[in-house]
Amino acid sequence: GESVGLHLPTLSVQEGDNSIINCAYSNSASDYFIWYKQESGKGPQFIIDIRSNMDKRQGQRVTVLLNKTVKHLSLQIAATQPGDSAVYFCAEISSGSARQLTFGSGTQLTVLP
Amino acid sequence: NAGVMQNPRHLVRRRGQEARLRCSPMKGHSHVYWYRQLPEEGLKFMVYLQKENIIDESGMPKERFSAEFPKEGPSILRIQQVVRGDSAAYFCASSPPVGVGYNEQFFGPGTRLTVL
Repeated sequence: GESVGLHLPTLSVQEGDNSIINCAYSNSASDYFIWYKQESGKGPQFIIDIRSNMDKRQGQRVTVLLNKTVKHLSLQIAATQPGDSAVYFCAEISSGSARQLTFGSGTQLTVLP
Repeated sequence: NAGVMQNPRHLVRRRGQEARLRCSPMKGHSHVYWYRQLPEEGLKFMVYLQKENIIDESGMPKERFSAEFPKEGPSILRIQQVVRGDSAAYFCASSPPVGVGYNEQFFGPGTRLTVL
């Protein structure tokens, strides 16, 4: 079936460095891709989204890149801070799925002092 | 403006008992979604509801699970005769009335169900 998956389950970066979290997807009909951050014991928190007709979108310290040719999505976090330590999920939504989000399995980001 | 509220935050049940999970959406939101998360996994969609209507329950197990979103009061996810495999975190999300494109889903803190 359709799925959204991540390349790496864990990522450790030094504080101040940039982080790149990758995600592969298989559903060509996805309309939007969304990145969520989930801290321990909490619900997912929206970070940034990108529509399928775009290839880049920037937010505050975050950039999402979409490569539809290879069905790849990435989240770049600039100047990573300790508060960025969390599990990051990519998710997709398509108009044909009645608005349900399909999540990947997550990447644990650890920021080292 | 309170966010999505879920209660209880933690729920312990013995096998065979019933679990009731409640979700109050954000003010002004009329759409509710339930997701289940197993340890170290992503969230899996279960059901999508509007007031008094189930829109999509394609992710709900066929037996023992049910959901409702009444005209008044919170949305309820009900699990009858729980088994150990039901142990998971259950998240509720809400969104405003759906327009063109998609509306961001705001997640609650989750209910962590443990079945002994």
